[in-house]
Amino acid sequence: EPEVTQTPSHQVTQMGQEVILRCVPISNHLYFYWYRQILGQKVEFLVSFYNNEISEKSEIFDDQFSVERPDGSNFTLKIRSTKLEDSAMYFCASNAYGELFFGEGSRLTVL
Amino acid sequence: QQQVKQSPQSLIVQKGGISIINCAYENTAFDYFPWYQQFPGKGPALLIAIRPDVSEKKEGRFTISFNKSAKQFSLHIMDSQPGDSATYFCAASMGQGGSEKLVFGKGTKLTVNP
Repeated sequence: EPEVTQTPSHQVTQMGQEVILRCVPISNHLYFYWYRQILGQKVEFLVSFYNNEISEKSEIFDDQFSVERPDGSNFTLKIRSTKLEDSAMYFCASNAYGELFFGEGSRLTVL
Repeated sequence: QQQVKQSPQSLIVQKGGISIINCAYENTAFDYFPWYQQFPGKGPALLIAIRPDVSEKKEGRFTISFNKSAKQFSLHIMDSQPGDSATYFCAASMGQGGSEKLVFGKGTKLTVNP
């Protein structure tokens, strides 16, 4: 069964450092998303991406965040200067016909 | 108005029992209501979803009941099994396909005792 894959599974970084989280969406999907889940809390929408541009973003997705689809298969989330409150599980998702498929997540710990 | 309110926060059910989780929403523009199941350390996985043109959808032991006038929907798990122990999230979105931005509830941790 096709799946969304994410790397790394866990990343520990120092506050102020740049982090790139990577995702390989399901191959025939056209819409891509990043969500995050702070420990013990609900899953929150960050950004959606279609046709090589952001289609929607939340208030959480400020100038420190960016997304890119550099090579037609990978979909990345970059956090330019991490803060303590960026510590969370980040989920990539992709969508073809209205159903979102989530990856297993990348846990980011900011020290 | 973008919120989805979910209850209860946690639920303990005996094996074979019925688990019921409820959600309420405000935004009448929402037209897609999925339920996601999440095991520890895993991403949310779609369990079952409904659109507001029907009042109930059943898939195996899982049923969604939808009340459009009350702006509420619920998940019923019949014959609950220990393997159903997980966190369940309701969600809502609008849009006919492709660019759904899901608004999630806060989740319900279900424990099914053997």
